[in-house]
Amino acid sequence: DSGVTQTPKHLITATGQRVTLRCSPRSGDLSVYWYQQSLDQGLQFLIQYYNGEERAKGNILERFSAQQFPDLHSELNLSSLELGDSALYFCASSGGLGIESYEQYFGPGTRLTVT
Amino acid sequence: DQQVKQNSPSLSVQEGRISILNCDYTNSMFDYFLWYKKYPAEGPTFLISISSIKDKNEDGRFTVFLNKSAKHLSLHIVPSQPGDSAVYFCAASPYNTDKLIFGTGTRLQVFP
Repeated sequence: DSGVTQTPKHLITATGQRVTLRCSPRSGDLSVYWYQQSLDQGLQFLIQYYNGEERAKGNILERFSAQQFPDLHSELNLSSLELGDSALYFCASSGGLGIESYEQYFGPGTRLTVT
Repeated sequence: DQQVKQNSPSLSVQEGRISILNCDYTNSMFDYFLWYKKYPAEGPTFLISISSIKDKNEDGRFTVFLNKSAKHLSLHIVPSQPGDSAVYFCAASPYNTDKLIFGTGTRLQVFP
């Protein structure tokens, strides 16, 4: 158990809809990362938050947004969903920045299916 | 543009033998490299890392080698055990960022 929790585990929704994925980092971790893993692909970095502030952005679509709340949990919002958004979405956390950020602890993921 | 590549989607090794997983990268601006292991229905877990200023790092049965001139990274597992059967992801972190760029993974199967 990594200490990172993600809800829900599975989500099935229709095209055009909007969903929210939730992540609670390990106790004490300030950084939260979101990754997307599509079929047969590696994990694609989406976005990082550190202590409530956006710190880095990857290949995140404009239809996607995220935030980190004062209690450090994070939410990833996906809107106007398309079939191609079906994927596993992982949240990870780490204690700090720089070298402390490399050992990231991953949650079990949320499997999103868009029909 | 895949900056971190794992060209072998799968590898099968007999228990007790050495497993060698390979990873190539195209960007010279990575300062840290890592290996993660992933079991089904779980998130990836950190295994071992190496700084770009080193060429080898060892942790028990796991050793990571870095060849900067070839832009090549490898993970050696010896001896391999059935519990090592998992998908292994190579990852790299660009200088001055905290993000990780992952390869597509290699599925390792260790058979008795």
